[in-house]
Amino acid sequence: GQQVMQIPQYQHVQEGEDFTTYCNSSTTLSNIQWYKQRPGGHPVFLIQLVKSGEVKKQKRLTFQFGEAKKNSSLHITATQTTDVGTYFCAGPGEYGNKLVFGAGTILRVKS
Amino acid sequence: GAGVSQSPSNKVTEKGKDVELRCDPISGHTALYWYRQSLGQGLEFLIYFQGNSAPDKSGLPSDRFSAERTGGSVSTLTIQRTQQEDSAVYLCASSLGGLSNQPQHFGDGTRLSIL
Repeated sequence: GQQVMQIPQYQHVQEGEDFTTYCNSSTTLSNIQWYKQRPGGHPVFLIQLVKSGEVKKQKRLTFQFGEAKKNSSLHITATQTTDVGTYFCAGPGEYGNKLVFGAGTILRVKS
Repeated sequence: GAGVSQSPSNKVTEKGKDVELRCDPISGHTALYWYRQSLGQGLEFLIYFQGNSAPDKSGLPSDRFSAERTGGSVSTLTIQRTQQEDSAVYLCASSLGGLSNQPQHFGDGTRLSIL
């Protein structure tokens, strides 16, 4: 079935350093969504990308969708302790009726 | 406005007992999803509802798991004869429609512990 692979599994950075998580699919995705889950919390929708090569920014967060619509990335510039959490990407399932989530990247920020 | 509401927030029960978890989606959201998340792990899809019907039950781990949704609103996930491996956080999400291009809104989850 449809799979979305996400790397790295875990990253520990010094506050102020940049962070990137990558998401890859074996098939073309019609769209990709990103979610953030704070420790002890629930996933919260961040953004959706739809167009090939699309780039969207939310303050220090930059989201990209690959030209082939098979991969995506989330880049955080100058991390802060508030960025701590798990970042999930999610793509459409085989029949477009559900999301398939990546395993997530756990981000820890050392101040 | 109210978000997705789940109850109970925590449930501790003995192995072999049945448990029922409840999800109250955002009003007007036709799609409802159940996920399971073990500690430090990703989201495991269980079942999806569009209205009251469940077009995709592919993620239910065994026949001990069942779910229903009534009135196109509240859903209950039932686990019969619980086992220790059922211990996890059970998350419910709803979305405006049943297509994968709709953002999903999650509840706070039910933390289930099987002794």
